[in-house]
Amino acid sequence: GAGVSQSPSNKVTEKGKDVELRCDPISGHTALYWYRQSLGQGLEFLIYFQGNSAPDKSGLPSDRFSAERTGGSVSTLTIQRTQQEDSAVYLCASSLRLNTEAFFGQGTRLTVV
Amino acid sequence: AQTVTQSQPEMSVQEAETVTLSCTYDTSESNYYLFWYKQPPSRQMILVIRQEAYKQQNATENRFSVNFQKAAKSFSLKISDSQLGDTAMYFCAFIPFSGGSNYKLTFGKGTLLTVNP
Repeated sequence: GAGVSQSPSNKVTEKGKDVELRCDPISGHTALYWYRQSLGQGLEFLIYFQGNSAPDKSGLPSDRFSAERTGGSVSTLTIQRTQQEDSAVYLCASSLRLNTEAFFGQGTRLTVV
Repeated sequence: AQTVTQSQPEMSVQEAETVTLSCTYDTSESNYYLFWYKQPPSRQMILVIRQEAYKQQNATENRFSVNFQKAAKSFSLKISDSQLGDTAMYFCAFIPFSGGSNYKLTFGKGTLLTVNP
């Protein structure tokens, strides 16, 4: 596709359940980022991937959060045993390289009830 | 570690007027990129303008221009002839050009701009 695609657009889940959020980056982009945006707040860095290098996981808030990127393309962010404080918009972005502008998807709004 | 500060949580401007949004940053890097992103209510983050730190000339994109002061570590965004469609949250962002292990795109907390008719 022409842009970064994220699915689902919205997800409502029960506390304690696991969720998977998907990101399809722009074709040819080697860098991929995940950010979290709580209501009315800025963007909190979670993780980035660059090519075949080890990802920078320094922003993941707890060991309930994990992400993988298969084949250098699609990425999945997994949240295990969701908590209410995990409710937020999760944004994915990709860039041609790490040090260039990032293009964002429309995000997944996660609501934990 | 890099930090980006936007000191104006909210601003408003009348349609057709000019408004300036402030951004300061802190880094020990000598070469980097700075960006302004716009996030309208649709929540789609849109790149507005970018500036390479090694360029002295301020970037301009139509009605949007920046005032980049490298020594002061300041990067403000000027919006001329404001339009209702400019109503959005605006984020300032920084990324090092060759930052070793610290390549993440760092954002400020944003400025909510409202353009009034």
